[in-house]
Amino acid sequence: GQQLNQSPQSMFIQEGEDVSMNCTSSSIFNTWLWYKQDPGEGPVLLIALYKAGELTSNGRLTAQFGITRKDSFLNISASIPSDVGIYFCAGQLFKAAGNKLTFGGGTRVLVKP
Amino acid sequence: NAGVTQTPKFQVLKTGQSMTLQCAQDMNHNSMYWYRQDPGMGLRLIYYSASEGTTDKGEVPNGYNVSRLNKREFSLRLESAAPSQTSVYFCASSPRSGSGYTFGSGTRLTVV
Repeated sequence: GQQLNQSPQSMFIQEGEDVSMNCTSSSIFNTWLWYKQDPGEGPVLLIALYKAGELTSNGRLTAQFGITRKDSFLNISASIPSDVGIYFCAGQLFKAAGNKLTFGGGTRVLVKP
Repeated sequence: NAGVTQTPKFQVLKTGQSMTLQCAQDMNHNSMYWYRQDPGMGLRLIYYSASEGTTDKGEVPNGYNVSRLNKREFSLRLESAAPSQTSVYFCASSPRSGSGYTFGSGTRLTVV
Protein backbone atom coordinates (compact mmCIF):
# COMPACT_ATOMS: atom_id res chain seq x y z
CA GLY A 1 0.00 0.00 0.00
CA GLN A 2 0.93 3.63 -0.08
CA GLN A 3 3.45 4.85 2.47
CA LEU A 4 4.56 8.27 3.54
CA ASN A 5 8.11 8.67 4.79
CA GLN A 6 8.38 11.57 7.16
CA SER A 7 11.72 12.97 8.29
CA PRO A 8 13.31 13.63 10.57
CA GLN A 9 11.66 11.30 13.09
CA SER A 10 12.56 13.73 15.86
CA MET A 11 14.34 17.05 16.24
CA PHE A 12 15.39 19.45 18.95
CA ILE A 13 14.60 23.12 18.60
CA GLN A 14 16.08 26.15 20.25
CA GLU A 15 13.89 29.18 20.67
CA GLY A 16 14.23 31.46 17.69
CA GLU A 17 15.46 28.80 15.28
CA ASP A 18 13.88 27.97 11.93
CA VAL A 19 13.14 24.25 11.46
CA SER A 20 12.05 22.12 8.55
CA MET A 21 10.55 18.70 8.05
CA ASN A 22 9.42 16.83 5.00
CA CYS A 23 7.30 14.00 3.75
CA THR A 24 7.87 11.86 0.69
CA SER A 25 5.75 9.26 -1.04
CA SER A 26 6.15 6.68 -3.76
CA SER A 27 2.71 7.70 -5.04
CA ILE A 28 1.13 10.92 -6.21
CA PHE A 29 -1.35 12.69 -3.96
CA ASN A 30 -3.93 15.34 -4.83
CA THR A 31 -4.04 16.87 -1.36
CA TRP A 32 -1.36 17.27 1.29
CA LEU A 33 -2.20 18.09 4.88
CA TRP A 34 -0.11 18.93 7.93
CA TYR A 35 -1.31 18.25 11.47
CA LYS A 36 0.10 19.00 14.92
CA GLN A 37 -0.55 16.86 17.98
CA ASP A 38 0.00 18.38 21.41
CA PRO A 39 0.66 15.98 24.31
CA GLY A 40 -2.54 14.29 25.44
CA GLU A 41 -4.61 15.68 22.59
CA GLY A 42 -5.76 14.67 19.13
CA PRO A 43 -4.07 16.00 15.97
CA VAL A 44 -5.19 19.42 14.78
CA LEU A 45 -5.09 20.52 11.15
CA LEU A 46 -2.48 23.23 10.48
CA ILE A 47 -2.31 23.61 6.72
CA ALA A 48 -3.99 22.04 3.69
CA LEU A 49 -2.45 22.11 0.19
CA TYR A 50 -4.37 21.37 -2.99
CA LYS A 51 -2.15 22.20 -5.98
CA ALA A 52 1.32 21.12 -7.05
CA GLY A 53 3.79 23.89 -6.26
CA GLU A 54 1.39 25.62 -3.86
CA LEU A 55 3.01 27.46 -0.96
CA THR A 56 0.73 28.25 1.98
CA SER A 57 1.40 29.97 5.29
CA ASN A 58 -0.36 29.91 8.64
CA GLY A 59 1.39 32.35 10.96
CA ARG A 60 4.97 31.15 11.44
CA LEU A 61 4.24 27.92 9.56
CA THR A 62 4.79 27.55 5.83
CA ALA A 63 4.07 24.39 3.85
CA GLN A 64 4.66 23.51 0.24
CA PHE A 65 3.05 20.97 -2.08
CA GLY A 66 5.93 19.47 -4.03
CA ILE A 67 5.94 19.96 -7.79
CA THR A 68 6.08 16.20 -8.40
CA ARG A 69 3.03 15.76 -6.11
CA LYS A 70 5.02 13.10 -4.24
CA ASP A 71 6.33 15.27 -1.44
CA SER A 72 5.56 18.13 0.89
CA PHE A 73 7.55 20.33 3.26
CA LEU A 74 6.73 22.18 6.46
CA ASN A 75 8.82 25.01 7.85
CA ILE A 76 8.47 26.63 11.25
CA SER A 77 10.12 30.00 11.57
CA ALA A 78 11.35 31.55 14.83
CA SER A 79 10.53 28.54 17.02
CA ILE A 80 8.86 29.07 20.38
CA PRO A 81 8.43 26.54 23.20
CA SER A 82 4.79 25.84 22.33
CA ASP A 83 5.91 24.47 18.95
CA VAL A 84 6.78 21.26 20.82
CA GLY A 85 4.63 18.34 19.74
CA ILE A 86 4.30 15.76 16.99
CA TYR A 87 3.79 16.94 13.43
CA PHE A 88 2.11 14.60 10.96
CA CYS A 89 1.88 14.88 7.21
CA ALA A 90 -1.00 13.24 5.39
CA GLY A 91 -1.79 12.69 1.74
CA GLN A 92 -5.10 12.13 0.05
CA LEU A 93 -6.07 10.95 -3.40
CA PHE A 94 -8.87 12.68 -5.27
CA LYS A 95 -12.12 10.89 -4.43
CA ALA A 96 -10.28 8.36 -2.24
CA ALA A 97 -12.62 5.68 -0.93
CA GLY A 98 -14.08 6.97 2.31
CA ASN A 99 -11.97 10.14 1.96
CA LYS A 100 -9.14 8.15 3.51
CA LEU A 101 -5.88 9.86 4.39
CA THR A 102 -2.45 8.23 4.42
CA PHE A 103 -0.44 9.50 7.39
CA GLY A 104 3.30 9.80 7.82
CA GLY A 105 4.94 8.44 10.95
CA GLY A 106 5.31 11.87 12.54
CA THR A 107 8.14 14.22 13.46
CA ARG A 108 8.53 14.71 17.20
CA VAL A 109 9.69 18.25 17.99
CA LEU A 110 11.41 18.68 21.35
CA VAL A 111 13.08 21.61 23.08
CA LYS A 112 16.87 21.57 23.42
CA PRO A 113 17.82 21.15 27.05
CA ASN B 1 -19.51 23.72 18.92
CA ALA B 2 -18.07 20.51 20.41
CA GLY B 3 -16.60 18.96 17.22
CA VAL B 4 -15.74 15.30 17.84
CA THR B 5 -16.47 13.96 21.33
CA GLN B 6 -15.01 10.69 22.58
CA THR B 7 -15.97 8.82 25.72
CA PRO B 8 -14.52 7.63 27.98
CA LYS B 9 -11.22 9.54 28.14
CA PHE B 10 -9.49 6.82 30.15
CA GLN B 11 -10.23 3.13 30.68
CA VAL B 12 -8.51 0.16 32.27
CA LEU B 13 -9.72 -3.30 31.27
CA LYS B 14 -8.77 -6.79 32.31
CA THR B 15 -7.80 -9.24 29.58
CA GLY B 16 -10.94 -10.78 28.11
CA GLN B 17 -13.30 -7.99 29.11
CA SER B 18 -15.34 -6.19 26.50
CA MET B 19 -16.09 -2.52 26.05
CA THR B 20 -17.37 0.01 23.56
CA LEU B 21 -15.66 3.31 22.80
CA GLN B 22 -18.12 6.00 21.86
CA CYS B 23 -17.64 8.78 19.31
CA ALA B 24 -20.04 11.52 18.25
CA GLN B 25 -19.63 14.52 15.94
CA ASP B 26 -21.90 17.51 15.63
CA MET B 27 -20.57 18.88 12.32
CA ASN B 28 -22.84 16.89 10.00
CA HIS B 29 -19.80 15.11 8.54
CA ASN B 30 -20.36 12.13 6.25
CA SER B 31 -17.26 10.07 7.00
CA MET B 32 -15.94 8.85 10.35
CA TYR B 33 -12.81 6.96 11.36
CA TRP B 34 -11.19 5.07 14.21
CA TYR B 35 -7.40 5.15 14.63
CA ARG B 36 -5.03 3.78 17.21
CA GLN B 37 -1.75 5.39 18.19
CA ASP B 38 0.90 3.41 20.01
CA PRO B 39 3.84 5.02 21.86
CA GLY B 40 6.29 6.60 19.46
CA MET B 41 4.25 5.52 16.48
CA GLY B 42 1.98 7.15 14.00
CA LEU B 43 -1.72 6.69 13.42
CA ARG B 44 -3.07 3.37 12.18
CA LEU B 45 -6.57 3.13 10.75
CA ILE B 46 -8.74 0.47 12.37
CA TYR B 47 -12.12 0.97 10.66
CA TYR B 48 -13.89 3.72 8.81
CA SER B 49 -17.39 4.62 7.72
CA ALA B 50 -17.57 6.52 4.45
CA SER B 51 -21.22 7.39 5.03
CA GLU B 52 -24.10 6.47 7.27
CA GLY B 53 -24.89 2.78 6.87
CA THR B 54 -21.47 1.69 5.60
CA THR B 55 -18.35 0.49 7.39
CA ASP B 56 -15.05 -0.84 6.06
CA LYS B 57 -11.86 -2.31 7.45
CA GLY B 58 -8.74 -0.26 7.71
CA GLU B 59 -5.15 -1.29 8.27
CA VAL B 60 -5.51 -3.05 11.65
CA PRO B 61 -9.13 -4.29 12.10
CA ASN B 62 -8.50 -7.59 13.89
CA GLY B 63 -10.02 -7.73 17.38
CA TYR B 64 -12.40 -4.81 16.76
CA ASN B 65 -15.91 -4.20 15.50
CA VAL B 66 -17.67 -0.96 14.66
CA SER B 67 -21.17 0.40 14.36
CA ARG B 68 -22.26 3.54 12.53
CA LEU B 69 -25.34 4.10 14.62
CA ASN B 70 -26.45 7.21 12.71
CA LYS B 71 -24.75 10.08 10.94
CA ARG B 72 -23.46 11.49 14.24
CA GLU B 73 -22.21 8.40 16.04
CA PHE B 74 -19.56 5.78 15.29
CA SER B 75 -18.65 3.30 18.01
CA LEU B 76 -15.71 0.92 18.34
CA ARG B 77 -16.12 -2.35 20.23
CA LEU B 78 -13.50 -4.63 21.72
CA GLU B 79 -15.19 -7.99 22.28
CA SER B 80 -12.35 -9.62 24.22
CA ALA B 81 -9.64 -7.16 25.15
CA ALA B 82 -5.99 -8.18 24.88
CA PRO B 83 -2.87 -6.43 26.24
CA SER B 84 -1.84 -5.74 22.61
CA GLN B 85 -4.86 -3.45 22.38
CA THR B 86 -3.39 -1.09 24.98
CA SER B 87 -3.23 2.14 23.02
CA VAL B 88 -4.67 5.60 22.54
CA TYR B 89 -7.73 5.52 20.31
CA PHE B 90 -8.76 8.50 18.20
CA CYS B 91 -12.00 9.06 16.40
CA ALA B 92 -12.11 11.50 13.49
CA SER B 93 -14.65 12.81 11.02
CA SER B 94 -14.55 14.42 7.58
CA PRO B 95 -17.19 16.17 5.47
CA ARG B 96 -15.74 15.37 2.04
CA SER B 97 -12.62 14.60 0.08
CA GLY B 98 -9.83 17.14 0.40
CA SER B 99 -11.15 18.74 3.58
CA GLY B 100 -9.02 16.91 6.14
CA TYR B 101 -10.18 15.35 9.37
CA THR B 102 -11.32 16.70 12.72
CA PHE B 103 -10.05 14.50 15.54
CA GLY B 104 -11.39 13.85 19.00
CA SER B 105 -9.13 14.16 22.03
CA GLY B 106 -8.67 10.40 22.38
CA THR B 107 -9.42 7.48 24.68
CA ARG B 108 -6.48 6.09 26.60
CA LEU B 109 -7.05 2.37 27.04
CA THR B 110 -4.92 0.03 29.14
CA VAL B 111 -5.52 -3.71 29.09
CA VAL B 112 -3.94 -5.59 31.99
